[in-house]
Amino acid sequence: QQQVKQSPQSLIVQKGGISIINCAYENTAFDYFPWYQQFPGKGPALLIAIRPDVSEKKEGRFTISFNKSAKQFSLHIMDSQPGDSATYFCAASPSGYSTLTFGKGTMLLVSP
Amino acid sequence: ETGVTQTPRHLVMGMTNKKSLKCEQHLGHNAMYWYKQSAKKPLELMFVYNFKEQTENNSVPSRFSPECPNSSHLFLHLHTLQPEDSALYLCASSPSTSGTYEQYFGPGTRLTVT
Repeated sequence: QQQVKQSPQSLIVQKGGISIINCAYENTAFDYFPWYQQFPGKGPALLIAIRPDVSEKKEGRFTISFNKSAKQFSLHIMDSQPGDSATYFCAASPSGYSTLTFGKGTMLLVSP
Repeated sequence: ETGVTQTPRHLVMGMTNKKSLKCEQHLGHNAMYWYKQSAKKPLELMFVYNFKEQTENNSVPSRFSPECPNSSHLFLHLHTLQPEDSALYLCASSPSTSGTYEQYFGPGTRLTVT
């Protein structure tokens, strides 16, 4: 049973456009929702994270939107750049425990 | 060396071989993790260690055997693997498993089983 569903599987966006990746979860015990970015040949690295007490968190061009009632959260990349081309994973962990459940990943390609 | 390192970066082994993957973290963390990353699948958590003690084993076949001699080192011993075990094996660390912490990943070992 996949506990974190991520879509789309792949995404092509033009430079300067907005990239949107969506995730949905089932486990109501989850209360920490990070996004990881992975470049080829590298391990995933934390990009941005949110907790359910806020509905939005912004760091530079990256924004997480969170809808607790719908059990959904999304990553928005504003002014997408070719250097943002990578695989993005959403994840979730329960309160007080650092074990993460990951989505399947979204391969983003930003065309010049 | 900084962060989390993994060796070897690439490994090709036959189904009857025995090999080991090594992970070392230079971050002073106490928790370490092994993940399996296959194409079009979520990262699969395999094992979790906290202060050298195994706290989680997600129904991993016995042909994978982890070892954590201290908080800085983690090994994954491999024997009698199957072709479907070919994947990228990632190691990660965090300050602890108790509490919500960022996990820091190594670059992974690309394993091919022939």
